[in-house]
Amino acid sequence: GAGVSQSPSNKVTEKGKDVELRCDPISGHTALYWYRQSLGQGLEFLIYFQGNSAPDKSGLPSDRFSAERTGGSVSTLTIQRTQQEDSAVYLCASSLVGLAGDNEQFFGPGTRLTVL
Amino acid sequence: AQSVTQLDSHVSVSEGTPVLLRCNYSSSYSPSLFWYVQHPNKGLQLLLKYTSAATLVKGINGFEAEFKKSETSFHLTKPSAHMSDAAEYFCVVRDFNDYKLSFGAGTTVTVRA
Repeated sequence: GAGVSQSPSNKVTEKGKDVELRCDPISGHTALYWYRQSLGQGLEFLIYFQGNSAPDKSGLPSDRFSAERTGGSVSTLTIQRTQQEDSAVYLCASSLVGLAGDNEQFFGPGTRLTVL
Repeated sequence: AQSVTQLDSHVSVSEGTPVLLRCNYSSSYSPSLFWYVQHPNKGLQLLLKYTSAATLVKGINGFEAEFKKSETSFHLTKPSAHMSDAAEYFCVVRDFNDYKLSFGAGTTVTVRA
């Protein structure tokens, strides 16, 4: 079946511009996660959605970062006024449930963001 | 709090020889442990997972890992490396009844012909 998909696969932007990254989770998965993979920081958690609610935004690095999820499905991660240190691969994952039960996370291919 | 230490940043093996990737973890509660593999320009793929059942876990592509609570380790092994095993491998921990994954820094595996 279809896995987690992300778009765009690559994004090059200029410093100061806003960007939107999209994630389509596996159909029926109620939980959705965003992670960031960068050279200096490794893989780090950004935010977790259960349904359309985000009970944990603790990993968002600054108030320039925000995310939303609509219809319990598609999620968008928005970075405002991008900085060079935002350059990274942004990974999205989804799982059937968030807490308890079978919450194995399935990852998308990622969006590689380059801020010039 | 949970954390993971991967003891080797890079491992180089010859094709057909055993592979050992070492991982130690720290967790406040009964953890779930995972190994993920990432091939160049590809997404993360789950190799195997430990969730408090059998301590010896078998995964895909001939990999297995043993959970040793006394040593807080979860080392990944494969008896015979294949060229296609060249990739980056991540050891991951999740506290019981949590959703957040904590990743190790990764181990890059190179396979020599």
